[in-house]
Amino acid sequence: GEDVEQSLFLSVREGDSSVINCTYTDSSSTYLYWYKQEPGAGLQLLTYIFSNMDMKQDQRLTVLLNKKDKHLSLRIADTQTGDSAIYFCAEKYQAGTALIFGKGTTLSVSS
Amino acid sequence: GAVVSQHPSWVICKSGTSVKIECRSLDFQATTMFWYRQFPKQSLMLMATSNEGSKATYEQGVEKDKFLINHASLTLSTLTVTSAHPEDSSFYICSASGTSGGETQYFGPGTRLLVL
Repeated sequence: GEDVEQSLFLSVREGDSSVINCTYTDSSSTYLYWYKQEPGAGLQLLTYIFSNMDMKQDQRLTVLLNKKDKHLSLRIADTQTGDSAIYFCAEKYQAGTALIFGKGTTLSVSS
Repeated sequence: GAVVSQHPSWVICKSGTSVKIECRSLDFQATTMFWYRQFPKQSLMLMATSNEGSKATYEQGVEKDKFLINHASLTLSTLTVTSAHPEDSSFYICSASGTSGGETQYFGPGTRLLVL
């Protein structure tokens, strides 16, 4: 069945880069997403990448996709304390279907 | 960007009562809405997929008679938790995708339910 795996915790110092990794099992995924959730809040879409792309950059965020290894990563440059949150990786197979979420990676940024 | 709202943002109710949660797409028409449930420190689990004008499709293990979903218009879906019990306490989040069935799902801010 479908499965999305993430490491549970990541701790970095302010100003460093953060890299959050995700692996998925279904090679037919069409879109892959990164969402951010702050305590007690809903999900904020950070970025997404279509499965035929290798990389996408958006300001401090860089998404890398290795489709062969079914590996997705999110790099946050110059990490700030405001980036502390839970980051969810998610995949979708086709338009109109629900997302399959990983368990989330808690990013802790210390000053 | 597209905005999805949920109401109420939090609710406390007594065991045995029913609670209705609304999910609205404010600036786009949503042919499909999804309802998720999130337990503390856990991921989102899909409960059901709701298409406008038709019956919702429930995930395995989700009781459709307990979690009633109505998607009567292209901008509104409701989730009613009937005869709520303490184990129904959770964070309920809806998402919506547009009429084009495009690549993006927009999430509501969530509704925190506490059943006493």
